[in-house]
Amino acid sequence: GAVVSQHPSRVICKSGTSVKIECRSLDFQATTMFWYRQFPKKSLMLMATSNEGSKATYEQGVEKDKFLINHASLTLSTLTVTSAHPEDSSFYICSAWPGGTYEQYFGPGTRLTVT
Amino acid sequence: QKEVEQDPGPLSVPEGAIVSLNCTYSNSAFQYFMWYRQYSRKGPELLMYTYSSGNKEDGRFTAQVDKSSKYISLFIRDSQPSDSATYLCAMSAGGAQKLVFGQGTRLTINP
Repeated sequence: GAVVSQHPSRVICKSGTSVKIECRSLDFQATTMFWYRQFPKKSLMLMATSNEGSKATYEQGVEKDKFLINHASLTLSTLTVTSAHPEDSSFYICSAWPGGTYEQYFGPGTRLTVT
Repeated sequence: QKEVEQDPGPLSVPEGAIVSLNCTYSNSAFQYFMWYRQYSRKGPELLMYTYSSGNKEDGRFTAQVDKSSKYISLFIRDSQPSDSATYLCAMSAGGAQKLVFGQGTRLTINP
């Protein structure tokens, strides 16, 4: 149980285009979903926290207009990287929290490469 | 100063060795302490969880938290090549909310 999927697993896009990444909780409803970014050999940095039906809360330094987060249902959150640039290339990981427990369940990650 | 400090390694040990991984932190509000294992190009998976101070053992893994020193440890006994991965400490002040991660230690167990 407690499986979180991400789609796509990897994507290559051209500079200036937008990319959407999906995060789904497959067998539970997620009160809250989190989006992290991880650079090579670096730690996970929280980008934003999203609750179903409300606006995401972004961490300091994260551009909300560049990283659009939508949490349309209790099992789906999307991250859209708008007007992507090479410096946005990174590993993006989501996690889902069902509530009532200490544990977040992490997705497998999406590797974004912007050329 | 980072909220959570973790030696990035890399750390390489022979099979069967005892491995010690550590993190220090500065935020005294942290109450929930976790260790995650991350294989290359994969998402993190939870290994150990400890609330407040104390020890917790699960098979070959032991997690220790010393809140007075703001120091946490993960010990791996009888290490196996399959334990080769990056180990991340993470902590939170409020349950599952807003985890703060260490940099991660890359561990290699040599057969």
